[in-house]
Amino acid sequence: GENVEQHPSTLSVQEGDSAVIKCTYSDSASNYFPWYKQELGKRPQLIIDIRSNVGEKKDQRIAVTLNKTAKHFSLHITETQPEDSAVYFCAVYNNAGNMLTFGGGTRLMVKP
Amino acid sequence: NAGVTQTPKFQVLKTGQSMTLQCAQDMNHNSMYWYRQDPGMGLRLIYYSASEGTTDKGEVPNGYNVSRLNKREFSLRLESAAPSQTSVYFCASTSMRGTSLSYEQYFGPGTRLTVT
Repeated sequence: GENVEQHPSTLSVQEGDSAVIKCTYSDSASNYFPWYKQELGKRPQLIIDIRSNVGEKKDQRIAVTLNKTAKHFSLHITETQPEDSAVYFCAVYNNAGNMLTFGGGTRLMVKP
Repeated sequence: NAGVTQTPKFQVLKTGQSMTLQCAQDMNHNSMYWYRQDPGMGLRLIYYSASEGTTDKGEVPNGYNVSRLNKREFSLRLESAAPSQTSVYFCASTSMRGTSLSYEQYFGPGTRLTVT
């Protein structure tokens, strides 16, 4: 089955700095790569996603880049704010299994 | 639209007791999923249902059963609860947005289960 690895597991940045979280996956046929944000005690919510035919997607302060050859994709958050503090999960869609496989999560802490 | 709803929000069980977690979605989604999330951990898939009438095992199905009652409802049953099943359980459903090949997964609010 699909194997998704996410790094780092924790990330601490100063407010205003950038944060980058990286995920690697194993199945070259995977074609959809979302990122979810989970605040403490809340449900995961989609923040950005990218399809396999696109290399980069941006939405205000967040962006996702995809390298299909290397089988990795990254979440970039610029000008971080305290409200960006949360756990972020990457995921990979498995066409054959009709399911998402999640990475282990990254706890991002933004210090004011 | 209420989205994805789950009941109950909290539950405490004694070892060996049984219970059913309920999940419903009003978005006309075909696919529904059950995950568990242990403290400080990621989401692990227990079971899923790609469409009404079908169910499949995920990564951690032992100790659980599911029923896709109709298109809207997907329940998770613990027949004999064990302390290792203490976790937060999330139900989710998926839309496929036309030809955009996006599989956005919508999550319910979760059920916090403690087994003593």
